Amino acid sequence: KQEVTQIPAALSVPEGENLVLNCSFTDSAIYNLQWFRQDPGKGLTSLLLIQSSQREQTSGRLNASLDKSSGRSTLYIAASQPGDSATYLCAALSGGSNYKLTFGKGTLLTVNP
Amino acid sequence: NAGVMQNPRHLVRRRGQEARLRCSPMKGHSHVYWYRQLPEEGLKFMVYLQKENIIDESGMPKERFSAEFPKEGPSILRIQQVVRGDSAAYFCASSPGSDEQYFGPGTRLTVT
Repeated sequence: KQEVTQIPAALSVPEGENLVLNCSFTDSAIYNLQWFRQDPGKGLTSLLLIQSSQREQTSGRLNASLDKSSGRSTLYIAASQPGDSATYLCAALSGGSNYKLTFGKGTLLTVNP
Repeated sequence: NAGVMQNPRHLVRRRGQEARLRCSPMKGHSHVYWYRQLPEEGLKFMVYLQKENIIDESGMPKERFSAEFPKEGPSILRIQQVVRGDSAAYFCASSPGSDEQYFGPGTRLTVT
């Protein structure tokens, strides 16, 4: 059974700082790994999706890496801004199915101006 | 192309009433998934449907919960005789196949 863990649970940084969010998963047989952003009381916005054959994906100030062998993914945010404040979720598509996403509990990021 | 639509966005029900949550997938998407986010918990898979078929309902509570995705119209998640523990955010996602899932804004159910 896939389990996804995100560390830290909460993170507070000053504006402009580069930061890394961590995600680990127990079953390395994943199809892909996805990072989402969730604002309070809102839905999920997909940020990056990394296929199992890929090592990383980049979009603007965001870079996500995937290391299947160690069961880890990181989300790197460069030059953080107050507008980046949100909860960041990672989710793995695996577990013998190619449709069931397993989510971590998220990292609550606060970027202080 | 409109995104995944869910309604209502907020739903208040008294204990014992029925809750009906609707999800319209993105145009061209025939796969629908429902997830539940309990307070202080991560999102949990509930059910996966294709048109007129339930593919996997392993995440659904055995009683009071049901889901459908008819040939015409939106997918419906129905909760009968709601209890306070059903209060949560329910998210629907859709995909064109076995691919990236696109999420709706969610329905926040409050049971009083």
